[in-house]
Amino acid sequence: EPEVTQTPSHQVTQMGQEVILRCVPISNHLYFYWYRQILGQKVEFLVSFYNNEISEKSEIFDDQFSVERPDGSNFTLKIRSTKLEDSAMYFCASSGRQGALSEKLFFGSGTQLSVL
Amino acid sequence: LAKTTQPISMDSYEGQEVNITCSHNNIATNDYITWYQQFPSQGPRFIIQGYKTKVTNEVASLFIPADRKSSTLSLPRVSLSDTAVYYCLVGGDNAGNMLTFGGGTRLMVKP
Repeated sequence: EPEVTQTPSHQVTQMGQEVILRCVPISNHLYFYWYRQILGQKVEFLVSFYNNEISEKSEIFDDQFSVERPDGSNFTLKIRSTKLEDSAMYFCASSGRQGALSEKLFFGSGTQLSVL
Repeated sequence: LAKTTQPISMDSYEGQEVNITCSHNNIATNDYITWYQQFPSQGPRFIIQGYKTKVTNEVASLFIPADRKSSTLSLPRVSLSDTAVYYCLVGGDNAGNMLTFGGGTRLMVKP
């Protein structure tokens, strides 16, 4: 089965530093997503991205967050100035078409971000 | 998005069939019912999706009664490796791209 690949698997950073989390979605997919999961809590939607634009974003996705598809294969999430509460597992996902609830989403294995 | 209610946790033994029921009383006409599985420290994985009646794939079956106000995920002959959190999600294309995960059901399979 095709896979979504995320790097790094673990990232440790100091509060206030910028981090970039990287994802390689499935090659023929067109819709890309970031989710996060704080330890012991629910999986939370952050943002969806299509045609080089943000389609939807949640309240969590404030001005400190940005996403980019810098080339034909990578999809990145940047946190400009990390806070302690940004510590979480961040999941990238992709799908072949729109309509997340009628379409199968493929999730990566996640990047565990620890902000100290 | 329709609100879903599912048990917080369930225990089972290897080889047994496990049925996890999800309630979604305010499901809309265009809504699908989708189940995801999540192992510790991994991303959710799509298991099965249905709209009505019964759907079966190589992993599970999904039973949906005529009123669609609930659904049951059935895992045949579970093994230890089926220990995971199982999420029921309900919604349609008009919900956009925002999957909303609830708390899920934590299934523990014992030897």
